[in-house]
Parts: sequence; C-alpha cells; structure tokens
Amino acid sequence: GQQVMQIPQYQHVQEGEDFTTYCNSSTTLSNIQWYKQRPGGHPVFLIQLVKSGEVKKQKRLTFQFGEAKKNSSLHITATQTTDVGTYFCAGRNGNKLVFGAGTILRVKS
Amino acid sequence: NAGVTQTPKFQVLKTGQSMTLQCAQDMNHEYMSWYRQDPGMGLRLIHYSVGAGITDQGEVPNGYNVSRSTTEDFPLRLLSAAPSQTSVYFCASRRGYQGYEQYFGPGTRLTVT
Repeated sequence: GQQVMQIPQYQHVQEGEDFTTYCNSSTTLSNIQWYKQRPGGHPVFLIQLVKSGEVKKQKRLTFQFGEAKKNSSLHITATQTTDVGTYFCAGRNGNKLVFGAGTILRVKS
Repeated sequence: NAGVTQTPKFQVLKTGQSMTLQCAQDMNHEYMSWYRQDPGMGLRLIHYSVGAGITDQGEVPNGYNVSRSTTEDFPLRLLSAAPSQTSVYFCASRRGYQGYEQYFGPGTRLTVT
C-alpha cells in the first residue's frame, strides 16, 4: 500500500533560524495535506496542495508540491517559539488519509 | 459547534479488560476515522467510516471494533486490552473522503497495564 515518508524525524533550531521538513510518497498523490500538532494537543489542518508544482504561503510558512506529485515540503522562515510542535504531511490513498511519521520541531530561544 | 468530542480523556485498563472510546461530531460530516499515535510512528489509521452503516479497516485494525449507527457517533471498542494498545487515540471527521480538511478530537490517552 501507499507509504508516506517524512524527514527529518526531529529538528532542534535556534530561534530565528529556518526549518524545512520533507515528505515523500511511494505513489503519485492526488493531493497532500499538512497538519501541525502542538505538544499535548491534537493535529490541526494547515493547508492542502493539489496542483503539480504548487506553492502556497501562509505568513512565514511556505508549502510546495513536487512536479511529479510524489513529494512535498514545508519551510518555515525565521522560526519562533510558537512554531514548536510536530508537523505531519498526509496523502490520500483511496478513502484513507495516510500520515507521515511527522517531524518534531523544537526551538531554542 | 463543539466539533469533534472524545471521551474519556484518560483511561487505565488492565490486560484483558474491554472498553469503548466514544467519539461524536456535530458538523454532519460523512467521513469519520480513528487513529492511534505512538512515539516515532505518526498517526496510524485503525478504522474508518464513509457514512452511517459503513465501516472499513485501516492499517492497524486488529484488536479493535467499530460501528456507525448514526452520522454523529463513531465508537471504538477494545475487545480484550493488551499492553501493546497503550497509546493516544484520536478520532477525526471530514465532510467527504476527497480533498477535505480533517478535524481531530482532543484525544484519549489509554494505558494498559
């Protein structure tokens, strides 16, 4: 079945540094979603990408969908302490939404 | 709207006990699902439902049962709890199966001793 790989598993950055997490699928995706989970909380939807090569921005966050629709990335510019948490990508496999293992982001102030 | 609600928030079970985790949503969403979250393994799909009366298995269904008698409710039953089922369980819902954002409940932290 479809697998969604996410790297890195963990990243610890100094406040103000940039951060990127990458998501790769074993199959072509019709769309990809990104979620953020704060420590002790539940996943919250951030964005969905649908088109090949699509780039979307939300303030300091930039999301990209690969040309082949098999990979995606989330880039945070100038991280802040409010960015801490786990970032998940998720790809659809038929009726199922398959999540990557997530990237845990810690920010040192 | 309350969104997606889950009860209980915390539960401790002994090996072999059974219990039901409750999940309800008030958004009239067709699609509901259950995930478990374990360190380093992300969110793994247990069971899902595309509408009342219809359920199907996810990636890790063994040891769990579900039913969907109404649009609002999607309970998860542990038949005979095992220590390997110690985890955080999230219920989620969305409007349809294609291209809609998924809303998660606050989670149930389950410990099996």
